[in-house]
Amino acid sequence: KAGVTQTPRYLIKTRGQQVTLSCSPISGHRSVSWYQQTPGQGLQFLFEYFSETQRNKGNFPGRFSGRQFSNSRSEMNVSTLELGDSALYLCASSSGGNQPQHFGDGTRLSIL
Amino acid sequence: GESVGLHLPTLSVQEGDNSIINCAYSNSASDYFIWYKQESGKGPQFIIDIRSNMDKRQGQRVTVLLNKTVKHLSLQIAATQPGDSAVYFCASTGDYKLSFGAGTTVTVRA
Repeated sequence: KAGVTQTPRYLIKTRGQQVTLSCSPISGHRSVSWYQQTPGQGLQFLFEYFSETQRNKGNFPGRFSGRQFSNSRSEMNVSTLELGDSALYLCASSSGGNQPQHFGDGTRLSIL
Repeated sequence: GESVGLHLPTLSVQEGDNSIINCAYSNSASDYFIWYKQESGKGPQFIIDIRSNMDKRQGQRVTVLLNKTVKHLSLQIAATQPGDSAVYFCASTGDYKLSFGAGTTVTVRA
């Protein structure tokens, strides 16, 4: 079974631009979550989707948004990029409920 | 809100010895806990999980212990190998999200 796939792996943007990151979950998984990982803040929850519905959202500004498609693939978008948005963005999928989330290898976003 | 923390940011262990990584959580309503391993350049990798109706669970060379009374869990790695060098995170679930601790960097000495 293929794992969680995130594209692109690396991305360089400049302040003020916007970016879209993509995540393909493990086949059959309907829950997709996004996390931001930085050296200073660690792993922080962004949002979770299940069957195209956002069920929870973390404490991030409205510049961070996401969506999930009918095939469970998910995208997250960050608008008006700031230097502090430089981070590793991780996507995780699970079958839902109290089942383990499985992570992709992330998208490394660098803001210049 | 929920906070999950690890007691030590780094752990150095001799190859072949056992490793113990500790974690404390704050939300007594948390009912599911997971340990992850993260190697450089990769995403967190699932190691083992435990539900709140258990106090111990064993996997291959790993054991997780859960003490709900003091809200503490630990990960024990038997016969630590060089490939075990990584950052280890504990996580607890609630409201459809994982709350992670800060991570413990394990370094295995040859």
